[in-house]
Amino acid sequence: GAVVSQHPSWVICKSGTSVKIECRSLDFQATTMFWYRQFPKQSLMLMATSNEGSKATYEQGVEKDKFLINHASLTLSTLTVTSAHPEDSSFYICSARAATNGETQYFGPGTRLLVL
Amino acid sequence: GENVEQHPSTLSVQEGDSAVIKCTYSDSASNYFPWYKQELGKRPQLIIDIRSNVGEKKDQRIAVTLNKTAKHFSLHITETQPEDSAVYFCAASSRGAAGNKLTFGGGTRVLVKP
Repeated sequence: GAVVSQHPSWVICKSGTSVKIECRSLDFQATTMFWYRQFPKQSLMLMATSNEGSKATYEQGVEKDKFLINHASLTLSTLTVTSAHPEDSSFYICSARAATNGETQYFGPGTRLLVL
Repeated sequence: GENVEQHPSTLSVQEGDSAVIKCTYSDSASNYFPWYKQELGKRPQLIIDIRSNVGEKKDQRIAVTLNKTAKHFSLHITETQPEDSAVYFCAASSRGAAGNKLTFGGGTRVLVKP
C-alpha cells in the first residue's frame, strides 16, 4: 500500500517551454501533497505544500507564478514549470500524505528535468 | 523555521560493522522524525520513524534514538551489508503555514565495503 506515482519519469525540453509533471496516489487518498526539488548530491528542498481544493503554499524563495501547482482531487497533483530555463534542470519529487496516517509522507519516483 | 543538521556527510564502514548517523533540530515543537534511504536516482524510502513520545525504536538491524531535551536524534544500523549503501536523510516535522511539513537534513552518503 501507499504507492505514489509520478509522470513523466524524465523530460528534456527547450528553454522557454512549459513542462507539466503529474503526481498520483494510487491506493490512498492524499489530502496533502508536497513538491520537492533535489539538485545533484544535495538534500530535498520543499518547494510547496498542496492541500486538496486549496491554493498551494509556497516556501520562501519559490516563485508561485513559475511553479504552478494544482491539487484538484484527492489522488492527483500537478506541477507545471513555466518558461523553463537551464537553471530549472533538477530532480523534482512529489510526496503524498494520507488523511488517516498523520505524518508519514510517501514519495513518488521523481521526474528528472533537463532544460536545454 | 525548522533547521536540521546531519552528520557525517559521508560514512564508510566495513561490512558487518555498525553505522551511526546523527541529526540535530532547532524547533522544540517538532514531534515526528522519519529517516529515509535514497538509492541513486530513486525515490526516498521511509525506513524508520519515531515520534516525540518515545525515546527509542528498533526494527531488525535499524534503530533510532531521540533526545528531546538536547534536540537530537540518531540512526543506528547494525551488521551492515553492501545493500545498505545509499544516501540516508533525517527529517523533522514542524508546523508550516499549510500544516505540518518535513525539513530534511543534508544527507549522509553511506558506503559499506565488502
